[in-house]
Amino acid sequence: KAGVTQTPRYLIKTRGQQVTLSCSPISGHRSVSWYQQTPGQGLQFLFEYFSETQRNKGNFPGRFSGRQFSNSRSEMNVSTLELGDSALYLCASSRWTGNYGYTFGSGTRLTVV
Amino acid sequence: QQQVKQSPQSLIVQKGGISIINCAYENTAFDYFPWYQQFPGKGPALLIAIRPDVSEKKEGRFTISFNKSAKQFSLHIMDSQPGDSATYFCAASNGQETSGSRLTFGEGTQLTVNP
Repeated sequence: KAGVTQTPRYLIKTRGQQVTLSCSPISGHRSVSWYQQTPGQGLQFLFEYFSETQRNKGNFPGRFSGRQFSNSRSEMNVSTLELGDSALYLCASSRWTGNYGYTFGSGTRLTVV
Repeated sequence: QQQVKQSPQSLIVQKGGISIINCAYENTAFDYFPWYQQFPGKGPALLIAIRPDVSEKKEGRFTISFNKSAKQFSLHIMDSQPGDSATYFCAASNGQETSGSRLTFGEGTQLTVNP
């Protein structure tokens, strides 16, 4: 079956711009989480959506937001981009929320210049 | 209290050897401990996971050992192969269906298996 699909794979943006990243979870998966991966901070949790509701949120500024649609697809938005937002953004999906194994996508590599 | 500490940062072993990666946590509310493997250009892939009601779980060449009293858990890779060369992350979670889930990751271990 198809895995978690993230688009685009690579993105270059300028400081101050905004960006929207997309994630299509595995069919039947209703929980979608987003993580930021950087060499300095490692893997950090951004937020989780389940049944179109944000269930959990990490310690990121309000410039980072997300949403989930009725088909479980999710988008993540970052406004007023800063150089420090350059990272690999990973989406993960699971059938349920709670303590279950999450399947990650290959990520979107965002570079802010 | 949400941190998960992982060691070593990097590890080099010979083919056929045993690779051991250790993690420690503080939050006693954590009740799910997965390990992920990540290759360059890919997202992390779930390798094996354990819950605190068991002390050991084995799947093929991969074994998790869990010490609840010490708040430590470790990954053992038996008969390590060059194809195991990757970055390994331990993680912990205390997710609930009502409050959602988040994984807290360790810093990662870069494993290199020499032929």
